[in-house]
Amino acid sequence: GENVEQHPSTLSVQEGDSAVIKCTYSDSASNYFPWYKQELGKRPQLIIDIRSNVGEKKDQRIAVTLNKTAKHFSLHITETQPEDSAVYFCAAAGRLYFGRGTQLTVWP
Amino acid sequence: GAGVSQSPSNKVTEKGKDVELRCDPISGHTALYWYRQSLGQGLEFLIYFQGNSAPDKSGLPSDRFSAERTGGSVSTLTIQRTQQEDSAVYLCASSLLPLPLHFGNGTRLTVT
Repeated sequence: GENVEQHPSTLSVQEGDSAVIKCTYSDSASNYFPWYKQELGKRPQLIIDIRSNVGEKKDQRIAVTLNKTAKHFSLHITETQPEDSAVYFCAAAGRLYFGRGTQLTVWP
Repeated sequence: GAGVSQSPSNKVTEKGKDVELRCDPISGHTALYWYRQSLGQGLEFLIYFQGNSAPDKSGLPSDRFSAERTGGSVSTLTIQRTQQEDSAVYLCASSLLPLPLHFGNGTRLTVT
């Protein structure tokens, strides 16, 4: 099956700085790559996704880039705010396999 | 509209007992997933149902775990002879393919 690696496991940034989380996947047939945000004690919520026919997608302060050749994709958060603090999960599909998550902490 | 509903929200059981966790997916969603999330850990895939196809059970950690989906809607995850290491949050998600997933709030299982 698919193997999704996510780095870093923890990330601390100052408010206003950018945060980047990277994921690699193993199955070249994977064609859908979502990112989920999970606040403490809550369910994971989809924040952005990208399909394999697109290299980059942006939604306000959040962007995702995909490199199919290298089989990696990244989440970029600009102008981080304390409310961005959460655990972020990447995933790759067919069947969704998740990375282990990144605990992002944004210090005011 | 209504989202994915899971019950119970919390379950405390004694080691060795069987438990059943229920998931009501969003109406019309053909795909249903179960994931397990241990404290501070990621989302571990357990099982995947898609329409009338045979489920993908490749993530079930042992034969004590089983799941079924009746009528293509409600799903039940059963854990027999629970062990302390089964303690986790069990998350159900559904989707109308191709994606994305909509998660329930999860069932927090504690085995004492």
